[in-house]
Amino acid sequence: AQSVAQPEDQVNVAEGNPLTVKCTYSVSGNPYLFWYVQYPNRGLQFLLKYITGDNLVKGSYGFEAEFNKSQTSFHLKKPSALVSDSALYFCAVRDPTSGTYKYIFGTGTRLKVLA
Amino acid sequence: NAGVTQTPKFQVLKTGQSMTLQCAQDMNHEYMSWYRQDPGMGLRLIHYSVGAGITDQGEVPNGYNVSRSTTEDFPLRLLSAAPSQTSVYFCASSSRGDEKLFFGSGTQLSVL
Repeated sequence: AQSVAQPEDQVNVAEGNPLTVKCTYSVSGNPYLFWYVQYPNRGLQFLLKYITGDNLVKGSYGFEAEFNKSQTSFHLKKPSALVSDSALYFCAVRDPTSGTYKYIFGTGTRLKVLA
Repeated sequence: NAGVTQTPKFQVLKTGQSMTLQCAQDMNHEYMSWYRQDPGMGLRLIHYSVGAGITDQGEVPNGYNVSRSTTEDFPLRLLSAAPSQTSVYFCASSSRGDEKLFFGSGTQLSVL
């Protein structure tokens, strides 16, 4: 079964500092990996995805993520955090070899950027 | 573009009542799905559909029914609401091959 773990409920970072939000996954085959962001009282918005190819994926709002197969990780990063980045971030996985079409989400990490 | 539209935005039910959460998309997406969001649990997949006439169960399907008679609509039915179904419900859609989910703004449901 496919699953994804976000080990941190909350990450605090000072504005201007680099940020990392962690995600690890478990699938039997090669995963499709995603990051989404949720602002208060809103639906989720797509940030980026890894399907195949370059392990470093660039997405919206200056975010990037690195796929690491040996560590089964897909951490979200940004070189310089903004207060406006404060939100709830979700990692998600789909196993394209599973025979199903399920996108499985993690429990979310709340990012708080302090001015 | 309307994108993914969910109605209603808020609903209060009594235990045992039934209701249907509506979801419509105008992007001609083949894939549609329903999630519930609960504190500390993240998003959990309830049901999904890869096209009209095709549905499948997600992680937490019990207590919910779905059908997909058209490409545009994917309603979620609660036949006999329970307090455990108090949650925020999100509908999402995607074009197969794009692997990018578009989410609605959510329905906040309280079951008393």
